[in-house]
Amino acid sequence: GESVGLHLPTLSVQEGDNSIINCAYSNSASDYFIWYKQESGKGPQFIIDIRSNMDKRQGQRVTVLLNKTVKHLSLQIAATQPGDSAVYFCAERYSGGGADGLTFGKGTHLIIQP
Amino acid sequence: NAGVMQNPRHLVRRRGQEARLRCSPMKGHSHVYWYRQLPEEGLKFMVYLQKENIIDESGMPKERFSAEFPKEGPSILRIQQVVRGDSAAYFCASSPRESGISGNTIYFGEGSWLTVV
Repeated sequence: GESVGLHLPTLSVQEGDNSIINCAYSNSASDYFIWYKQESGKGPQFIIDIRSNMDKRQGQRVTVLLNKTVKHLSLQIAATQPGDSAVYFCAERYSGGGADGLTFGKGTHLIIQP
Repeated sequence: NAGVMQNPRHLVRRRGQEARLRCSPMKGHSHVYWYRQLPEEGLKFMVYLQKENIIDESGMPKERFSAEFPKEGPSILRIQQVVRGDSAAYFCASSPRESGISGNTIYFGEGSWLTVV
């Protein structure tokens, strides 16, 4: 079936730098995307979402970019902090496929170095 | 994550025993989803329920696994005759309406970690 994947399994950045986490999706009919953050031993925490009729959305220190032409999604985190260290998942939803939940990628482990 | 309550957080079962995982959705949410996560992997959808109804169980194994969301009380994910391969983190999530149609965000609980020995 369709899948969501991530380009890099591990990303290491210096504290204070900006980080970019990338995600590729293959279902061109997907119309809603979410980024989740998961810390060790905890559940996924919603960060930011974007619908397919948008190409950019900003939150507090985070920005999600959607490029439907190449089916690419990215999460930008500005001025990274130690608390940003976690695994980040992108997820897609195809609303026409029924209410069967989200399809997650495998995740990128973001490591913030002091 | 606040609001979606799962228990137990950790559960150890011997092979062949039954595991019951409970989930209380956020207040006002009537849609519940269960996901399974293996170490170093993403979350895999299992089942989607509304009160008293299973809407989509396409991700559930055909045998030993069942789920319910009664009119009163929490949603229950039940695993009978557990095997070592059932060891995983099981996450429950909830949304106020059907997430797939309107893009309503679903919120996750802290998970239940099942270890089969």
